[in-house]
Amino acid sequence: DIQMTQSPSSLSASVGDRVTITCRTSQTIRTYLNWYQKKPGKAPNLLIYDASSLQSGVPSRFSGSGSGTHFTLTITSLQPEDFATYFCQQSYSTPPYTFGQGTKLEIK
Amino acid sequence: HLVESGGGFVKPGGSLRLSCAASGFTFSDFYMSWFRQAPGKGLEWISYISGSATYTYNADSVKGRFTISRDNANNSLYLQMNSLRADDTAVYYCARSVLKPTGCRYFDIWGRGSLVSVSS
Repeated sequence: DIQMTQSPSSLSASVGDRVTITCRTSQTIRTYLNWYQKKPGKAPNLLIYDASSLQSGVPSRFSGSGSGTHFTLTITSLQPEDFATYFCQQSYSTPPYTFGQGTKLEIK
Repeated sequence: HLVESGGGFVKPGGSLRLSCAASGFTFSDFYMSWFRQAPGKGLEWISYISGSATYTYNADSVKGRFTISRDNANNSLYLQMNSLRADDTAVYYCARSVLKPTGCRYFDIWGRGSLVSVSS
């Protein structure tokens, strides 16, 4: 199985800040990397697919980059509604479609 | 739009059947998956099924115990869970799967989840 290493596991930031979350994979996955936002009691929300494509309806302050084994999610100008947990997920080859451990973004 | 149902409390070794009702899209055109999130843990993919139900695939953690199925006439997805264990306790989500021409598969529509609690 492809292993995912997401960092940091938690992050404190203020409204208006720029933050970056990193996801590394144990083998190359081309660009088959997706990012989700998860809030308690809510469904996961797709933000970025195929490493850098913004899902329809997601604010442009969210962006993704990377290929191979190193990927990043960047949020510019943090808004109050962005404080949540973020997960990366790979979909290279056959299942299992593994997730990173998650990054909890908290208000400083 | 996806809505899960069927969760609840069950003793170890027991069974439950989760349902996921789909609306707002042509259900039979899409692969569907089940995921779960245990308390304080991350997300885990556990099963998928193709649009025509020809192909299914389960994670090792549920292989031989869980069975995914679908009823395209009624726009419904199911997860039959047998031989439940305490470590199956989680919120279970159904999600729609999209495959891009690039080969990337992602999950764009999710339900709000159904809680399954396994305890004696």
